[in-house]
Amino acid sequence: DTEVTQTPKHLVMGMTNKKSLKCEQHMGHRAMYWYKQKAKKPPELMFVYSYEKLSINESVPSRFSPECPNSSLLNLHLHALQPEDSALYLCASSQDGSSKPQHFGDGTRLSIL
Amino acid sequence: EDQVTQSPEALRLQEGESSSLNCSYTVSGLRGLFWYRQDPGKGPEFLFTLYSAGEEKEKERLKATLTKKESFLHITAPKPEDSATYLCAVNNNAGNMLTFGGGTRLMVKP
Repeated sequence: DTEVTQTPKHLVMGMTNKKSLKCEQHMGHRAMYWYKQKAKKPPELMFVYSYEKLSINESVPSRFSPECPNSSLLNLHLHALQPEDSALYLCASSQDGSSKPQHFGDGTRLSIL
Repeated sequence: EDQVTQSPEALRLQEGESSSLNCSYTVSGLRGLFWYRQDPGKGPEFLFTLYSAGEEKEKERLKATLTKKESFLHITAPKPEDSATYLCAVNNNAGNMLTFGGGTRLMVKP
């Protein structure tokens, strides 16, 4: 079991739906991340939060909206997604500082109809 | 721009047949090199961090080493349960961003 918990594990949604992905960690980490991973590819960074503030947005389309309500929680709000957005969405956390390892959850498998 | 290249892309081994996976990197100011294991449908599982050339880390049948240009993940007497994709990633002085290699898919047959 990982120490980063993501819900739901699977999500199927239409292109007009609004849904949210949730991520929670209780390791006291102050940096949290969203990644997108397509089949047989490495994870691609989407967003980085450091001390609950958005520090990196890797030119992600506005149909993806991140939110960090507190130091333990990270949300990804989804709206008007496209079929090409179907992927595994991974959350990770780390002690702040680029020399610290990131710890990943098991992801949400998202399918857009 | 940081770059990470892993080889081979796929590796088939017989149980007990030791081998090595390679991770070549170019980075502006290495802050850490990380190895992860990823099983299908799961998130990457952290294995090792290496910080400076000459450093080595071990865990069960795995041993990671680091030089100024590359890292190796040595697998000694692998078992079928070692089958997974192994990812290498680097972090630089600029911040909390990892640059991943493409991964090596390891298959160990009994």
